[in-house]
Amino acid sequence: DVKVTQSSRYLVKRTGEKVFLECVQDMDHENMFWYRQDPGLGLRLIYFSYDVKMKEKGDIPEGYSVSREKKERFSLILESASTNQTSMYLCASSPLAGGRYNEQFFGPGTRLTVL
Amino acid sequence: AQSVTQLDSQVPVFEEAPVELRCNYSSSVSVYLFWYVQYPNQGLQLLLKYLSGSTLVESINGFEAEFNKSQTSFHLRKPSVHISDTAEYFCAVSDTNTGFQKLVFGTGTRLLVSP
Repeated sequence: DVKVTQSSRYLVKRTGEKVFLECVQDMDHENMFWYRQDPGLGLRLIYFSYDVKMKEKGDIPEGYSVSREKKERFSLILESASTNQTSMYLCASSPLAGGRYNEQFFGPGTRLTVL
Repeated sequence: AQSVTQLDSQVPVFEEAPVELRCNYSSSVSVYLFWYVQYPNQGLQLLLKYLSGSTLVESINGFEAEFNKSQTSFHLRKPSVHISDTAEYFCAVSDTNTGFQKLVFGTGTRLLVSP
């Protein structure tokens, strides 16, 4: 059974703190993604990675960075959290394309509140 | 670049009634199309997808969607809904040429099924 896990379901941090959101997948997938989900805005891609140590900016990378030191783990980092980063964060993974589409599998999400 | 429009933010419906959730997309290239579902307090799950071939695609729980290229639409339908279908539904599009399979999501439609 495919599985994407996220380190926390709920997280409360203070403005200016450095925040780490962790995502682990057990499917040996090459691609991993970080989205944020906000009411009325849907899901927006923050960063994605197609290999270890490789990363690409998504549509809203400002204020975020990522790290992928191992194939199964993809971390989202908020260097200095701000209140406008209060959101639901979703991680996803998918296998290498190989010339065809492959489904993205999502984790349960981390609801981050920045006070 | 692609974009997805889900005009209805919320659709209330009675149990056993039919429902249609609308999705329109914009793209200058060929696309893959998807519907994802998010049940309360859970991550996203793929409901159905159109990659090629028959324009009518079906899910295992009775939903169907039809790809209409001329109208750039991919509306989701179910002839008779259940209480358990209450969830948020996201339409998404992916450029067929994107090797990393980036998804662009709509803003979501919340389906509320009442007895």
